[in-house]
Amino acid sequence: GAGVSQTPSNKVTEKGKYVELRCDPISGHTALYWYRQSLGQGPEFLIYFQGTGAADDSGLPNDRFFAVRPEGSVSTLKIQRTERGDSAVYLCASSIGQGETQYFGPGTRLLVL
Amino acid sequence: EDQVTQSPEALRLQEGESSSLNCSYTVSGLRGLFWYRQDPGKGPEFLFTLYSAGEEKEKERLKATLTKKESFLHITAPKPEDSATYLCAADNYGQNFVFGPGTRLSVLP
Repeated sequence: GAGVSQTPSNKVTEKGKYVELRCDPISGHTALYWYRQSLGQGPEFLIYFQGTGAADDSGLPNDRFFAVRPEGSVSTLKIQRTERGDSAVYLCASSIGQGETQYFGPGTRLLVL
Repeated sequence: EDQVTQSPEALRLQEGESSSLNCSYTVSGLRGLFWYRQDPGKGPEFLFTLYSAGEEKEKERLKATLTKKESFLHITAPKPEDSATYLCAADNYGQNFVFGPGTRLSVLP
């Protein structure tokens, strides 16, 4: 079956611009997670959705980062006024429920120049 | 603070040379310990979940074990295609997984 998909696969932007990253989870998975991974590091938690609501957004680094999941399926991570330090791979994962195995997408590689 | 560490940071093996990777966790409570494999430029791929001390899981040349403070990923007679970064993650009954930094494994032919 179809796995988690993420678009775009790569995004290059200039400092100060706004970007949107999209995640399409596995069908039927109610839990959705966003992580950020820097080179040589493990994924770092950003935000968790259960259904349409953000159950935990404690990992978002500051108020430039925001995520939505309006219909409980596709999610969009939004970054305002991008900074060079935002450059990383943004990973999305979904699971049947909290505490269950998380299945990851291929990631979006963001480069802020 | 909940923390997951992995060692070694990098490991180079000859084809057929067995070894083990370590994952140490310090969490307030462990619901599950997860192992993932990550190839360059790709997302993590699920391998195993372990729930209680003494539990073991096997898949081809890989075997994962769990104690109260550590998990080991044993690789028996590895092949070059086993080269990847291996990540472990702890589910601490929280809303997300706490990942370690990974071990980069290279298996030379």
